[in-house]
Amino acid sequence: NAGVTQTPKFQVLKTGQSMTLQCAQDMNHEYMSWYRQDPGMGLRLIHYSVGAGITDQGEVPNGYNVSRSTTEDFPLRLLSAAPSQTSVYFCASSYSRTGAGELFFGEGSRLTVL
Amino acid sequence: AQKITQTQPGMFVQEKEAVTLDCTYDTSDPSYGLFWYKQPSSGEMIFLIYQGSYDQQNATEGRYSLNFQKARKSANLVISASQLGDSAMYFCAMRGGYSSASKIIFGSGTRLSIRP
Repeated sequence: NAGVTQTPKFQVLKTGQSMTLQCAQDMNHEYMSWYRQDPGMGLRLIHYSVGAGITDQGEVPNGYNVSRSTTEDFPLRLLSAAPSQTSVYFCASSYSRTGAGELFFGEGSRLTVL
Repeated sequence: AQKITQTQPGMFVQEKEAVTLDCTYDTSDPSYGLFWYKQPSSGEMIFLIYQGSYDQQNATEGRYSLNFQKARKSANLVISASQLGDSAMYFCAMRGGYSSASKIIFGSGTRLSIRP
């Protein structure tokens, strides 16, 4: 049972480089989302999607792009990395866009921007 | 706009005691859902319990119960008979209704430490 798969698990970037964090789920979930977790800040929502072709901004969207061309995949793109984007990133999915559909999380991706 | 507040950055509790973790929320949606998650030091996120805004009774799951006070906009997590393995970060989260487009936001968390 794969669940939510994130790659890579660790990445070091230099300021200004771009990269894509991959997220795939095999549970046919409608809802997918990206969070960043910084010490003392909890999880902050970056972008989310309620279905293929539909994305929307969360609490901290600046510097990140997303797309949802399939139900399974929801990649997160950093266009020009900055040290402030050093964080742990979590992808999460839910079978429902409403109600009691709890989030299933990936294992996280630790990104360091030098 | 939605907002989740957890005012206890850290708590220490003696093993086998009950513990209450506070969570208050704000939303203009009449329909919403509240979640609690546990994050051990290993980093994974573990779903604990869910409460819907129209649920008539407080949610319970084993040793976890949710003390839902709608008028006060609070959704506190109660852990009965705490165990050493309960030491972790705990996050409260909320899913809004139609006007919030179903996004789920989290509070800043409470670090719970259980003393033997």
